[in-house]
Amino acid sequence: EAEVAQSPRYKITEKSQAVAFWCDPISGHATLYWYRQILGQGPELLVQFQDESVVDDSQLPKDRFSAERLKGVDSTLKIQPAELGDSAMYLCASSFSGAYNEQFFGPGTRLTVL
Amino acid sequence: GENVEQHPSTLSVQEGDSAVIKCTYSDSASNYFPWYKQELGKGPQLIIDIRSNVGEKKDQRIAVTLNKTAKHFSLHITETQPEDSAVYFCAASLGAGGTSYGKLTFGQGTILTVHP
Repeated sequence: EAEVAQSPRYKITEKSQAVAFWCDPISGHATLYWYRQILGQGPELLVQFQDESVVDDSQLPKDRFSAERLKGVDSTLKIQPAELGDSAMYLCASSFSGAYNEQFFGPGTRLTVL
Repeated sequence: GENVEQHPSTLSVQEGDSAVIKCTYSDSASNYFPWYKQELGKGPQLIIDIRSNVGEKKDQRIAVTLNKTAKHFSLHITETQPEDSAVYFCAASLGAGGTSYGKLTFGQGTILTVHP
């Protein structure tokens, strides 16, 4: 069964350092999402791609976060510099198209900022 | 923007009992309502979803009901089993059209514990 792949699974970093997360969506899925999930809460959308284009980054803290999906396939989310409040689970999801289609989630990257 | 409220935050039942989780949403234009199950250390997994043109949907022991007028929807799990223990999230989406592109707004989650 096809799955969304994410790496690393766990990341510990010190504040002010740079971190990067990678996501490989299910083959053929045009829409890719990055969510942040704080412990005890539901996921919140950070950025959404349709192919290689950003269609929603309204909740992305653009002063420190960046995301790209250069060839419309895999994607990278970067934080620079990391802050204590960035500690969370970062989830990647993909869907065949944006609307009405099941979003398949990856296992996530657990980030701890010390 | 959309706001989704989910209750209860924790739910404890005996094996074989039923469990009900309720969500309300704020944007009357929302038209797609999925439910996700998240086990420890894993990403959310879709268990059932419903669109606004349907009032109820069932899949074996799981059912979802939608009341568009009241803007609330519920998850019903019958004959609960210990393996149903997990965190359950409801979500709402505007689905197709406009600039939403299927963005999901999640509730806060319900920790379901099924005791053997």
